[in-house]
Amino acid sequence: TQLLEQSPQFLSIQEGENLTVYCNSSSVFSSLQWYRQEPGEGPVLLVTVVTGGEVKKLKRLTFQFGDARKDSSLHITAAQPGDTGLYLCAGEEAGANNLFFGTGTRLTVIP
Amino acid sequence: DTEVTQTPKHLVMGMTNKKSLKCEQHMGHRAMYWYKQKAKKPPELMFVYSYEKLSINESVPSRFSPECPNSSLLNLHLHALQPEDSALYLCASSQAAQQGNYGYTFGSGTRLTVV
Repeated sequence: TQLLEQSPQFLSIQEGENLTVYCNSSSVFSSLQWYRQEPGEGPVLLVTVVTGGEVKKLKRLTFQFGDARKDSSLHITAAQPGDTGLYLCAGEEAGANNLFFGTGTRLTVIP
Repeated sequence: DTEVTQTPKHLVMGMTNKKSLKCEQHMGHRAMYWYKQKAKKPPELMFVYSYEKLSINESVPSRFSPECPNSSLLNLHLHALQPEDSALYLCASSQAAQQGNYGYTFGSGTRLTVV
């Protein structure tokens, strides 16, 4: 089992603010994935990053994979109430189907 | 079809019961997974099937028994569970590792309560 630590654990912000969530590990991953999970539902994939230093943008969300492929960040610009949810990073080792989840960040965006 | 379908959505069972959770996907994914998620915690990997063969068992107690009858179906057989086994059980599928990393697709889960 690989350990991925996310920070912050909880985040409550006003609509329109920006935020960054961090995902850190001592392990190297072949890919790092970000998911969002709503109560009572399964996680939904937001993005997969596979190359060290890679940056991907998905509308107001920007994802970055660290150069050493051990850490990642998720930045949300102008947060909206619809962004509320549990954000999970998850890492997969090379050549293995073994996705391990981070500790999670629970985001609340207040209208 | 881009979904993973899990049944039932909710299950209440006694500690002496035998029940099964079912999962189905038709995306041609050759890796399928069971995860367990307790309240306010991230999902924990239980089992991985790759090309219908069990490739990972994360030290799960034998009262949980997985089965992969074919490339589209995954079952989790439950027997003599304990109340602490109550959780959301998630099924997921993905391309096999050799085919590249394209992310996992999760079902909505089965909410299991053991009484």
